[in-house]
Amino acid sequence: DTGVSQDPRHKITKRGQNVTFRCDPISEHNRLYWYRQTLGQGPEFLTYFQNEAQLEKSRLLSDRFSAERPKGSFSTLEIQRTEQGDSAMYLCASSLAGGNTIYFGEGSWLTVV
Amino acid sequence: SQQGEEDPQALSIQEGENATMNCSYKTSINNLQWYRQNSGRGLVHLILIRSNEREKHSGRLRVTLDTSKKSSSLLITASRAADTASYFCATDGVNNNDMRFGAGTRLTVKP
Repeated sequence: DTGVSQDPRHKITKRGQNVTFRCDPISEHNRLYWYRQTLGQGPEFLTYFQNEAQLEKSRLLSDRFSAERPKGSFSTLEIQRTEQGDSAMYLCASSLAGGNTIYFGEGSWLTVV
Repeated sequence: SQQGEEDPQALSIQEGENATMNCSYKTSINNLQWYRQNSGRGLVHLILIRSNEREKHSGRLRVTLDTSKKSSSLLITASRAADTASYFCATDGVNNNDMRFGAGTRLTVKP
């Protein structure tokens, strides 16, 4: 495993359904980040973990969104009661703490119909 | 909220020409990173420059950083059609531990 892995790559769901995305970071990385990106825009920060602790959450992360990193390795991002405005690409990234390079996965595309 | 802002928003050049993209940011930083993104794909890290550095090179890439002006530039020399992509700068704040991105520059290199 040489990179950040995200699953699923694509998800189409009906409005009101719950969806969960998984991210497996680079194995020795203790920081894990979630971003959201819509067409034509840059990634927007959602939240990040250092080990299993969620250290910062964006105001974009409404109470329908929850992220976990229970053992300090993989992370999940759950969106409850999806809305059409949630349609976006959800990007996971990881790094070592201390101002190091952040590496991104290929993203998980969500389409809410 | 976004931190970096790239300029121009779009750039179209001929293969072989140089492409220069600029990034401005608002608060003090520890480092600034440039990324590339092909349509529908994840972001690929290009180069990291720390706040105490002024210039870095990597292959055909040259990045400068001017902390007094809170700006950075990315120069791609001898561009190729395969360089067509969106380019983003990302900054951390001195008190932030995550990276904040601008809206990107969409570069098109015509063969």
